[in-house]
Amino acid sequence: QVQLVESGGGLVKPGGSLRLSCAASGFTFNDYFMNWIRQAPGKGLEWVSYISSSGEAIFYADSVKGRFTISRDNAKNSLYLEMNSLRAEDTAVYYCAGGRAADGAFDIWGQGTMVTVSS
Amino acid sequence: DIQMTQSPSSLSASVGDRVTITCRASQSISNYLNWYQQKPGKAPKLLISAASSLQSGVPSRFSGSKSGTDFILTISSLQPEDFATYYCQQTYSTPFFGQGTKLEIK
Repeated sequence: QVQLVESGGGLVKPGGSLRLSCAASGFTFNDYFMNWIRQAPGKGLEWVSYISSSGEAIFYADSVKGRFTISRDNAKNSLYLEMNSLRAEDTAVYYCAGGRAADGAFDIWGQGTMVTVSS
Repeated sequence: DIQMTQSPSSLSASVGDRVTITCRASQSISNYLNWYQQKPGKAPKLLISAASSLQSGVPSRFSGSKSGTDFILTISSLQPEDFATYYCQQTYSTPFFGQGTKLEIK
């Protein structure tokens, strides 16, 4: 079935690094643009980063620009988020989500992985 | 950035009620407005895309409409499984979510 599975979350100290992965199955991954979205505990959804289906177009939220790097490997049906210089305010559940329609909606979501930044 | 202002932030209603949630864009976004439902501990689920296009499998009691830069999610007759948090999202430019509306049982 159509599925996105995130991994790589955990506890990291401020200033540390973490790499999240998102494994896709059940659909043609290289047809889909992909995003990372995060949700701090008890808060709303915050879009983090976008990558086009080919990987040629990439965008970041101002809050993570220069610290986070999105990438994808279409041969491995995988999406990644490299997170550096982590701060307490980066603590959140991180979701990967994608879509393929021109309206830009995210019609496939993973279950999320928790990232906690704390000393 | 295009900001989305969603209201109300919370709403109490009863089974069978008709409810509306509104999202206002800070500038024109054409029809690039989507609605999501999120239940506690779960990922969001796409309900409506392009302002009014109901996703496959979503009950017809959900509908979306537009008036100028205001977008409205309507649930015509609330069911027990509809109590959740709802988010609007604009995808006209870099994606931006509204603050969310928590729909609670009265």
